[in-house]
Amino acid sequence: DVKVTQSSRYLVKRTGEKVFLECVQDMDHENMFWYRQDPGLGLRLIYFSYDVKMKEKGDIPEGYSVSREKKERFSLILESASTNQTSMYLCASSPPGETQYFGPGTRLLVL
Amino acid sequence: GQNIDQPTEMTATEGAIVQINCTYQTSGFNGLFWYQQHAGEAPTFLSYNVLDGLEEKGRFSSFLSRSKGYSYLLLKELQMKDSASYLCAVRDNAGNMLTFGGGTRLMVKP
Repeated sequence: DVKVTQSSRYLVKRTGEKVFLECVQDMDHENMFWYRQDPGLGLRLIYFSYDVKMKEKGDIPEGYSVSREKKERFSLILESASTNQTSMYLCASSPPGETQYFGPGTRLLVL
Repeated sequence: GQNIDQPTEMTATEGAIVQINCTYQTSGFNGLFWYQQHAGEAPTFLSYNVLDGLEEKGRFSSFLSRSKGYSYLLLKELQMKDSASYLCAVRDNAGNMLTFGGGTRLMVKP
């Protein structure tokens, strides 16, 4: 079974803090993704990585950065958290051209 | 750009059949996915269509018409555990990125 894990299920941070969300997959997938999910807006792609050190911006990259130093790990960084970044963050991975497998999500609250 | 529409909420009765529609207008198309997401959990893959027609998987079927930019997910013999959100997603031409609709929350009542 494909396993995608995320470092925290729930996280509370203060405005202005630097926040790291970690995602690890154990299936040697080339592609990894970060989404945020908000009521009524569905899942929106923040960043996509197709290989180590390679990344592409998704639909809403502003205020976020990513890091992929190892194939199995994809980190999402909020450089200076703001209240409008309160959301559910979902990580996914896939082989090229195949279905995506999602992690359990991190519910982030920025106060 | 990509625009994907699906109803926000639907209600159906246990044992019945329900059809969840998805329409899309996209600059590229390389397949349409349906995912199921229970509250507080990760989305899980249900079905995939890239050619026109019906794909059947047990109680769930998915249909695609590329010329109409239209898909539906059909759930038969509804069970209470089918209460969840159903997400429609279109894949881009490069075959990697998905664009999701807002999701349809299905409530199954006894």
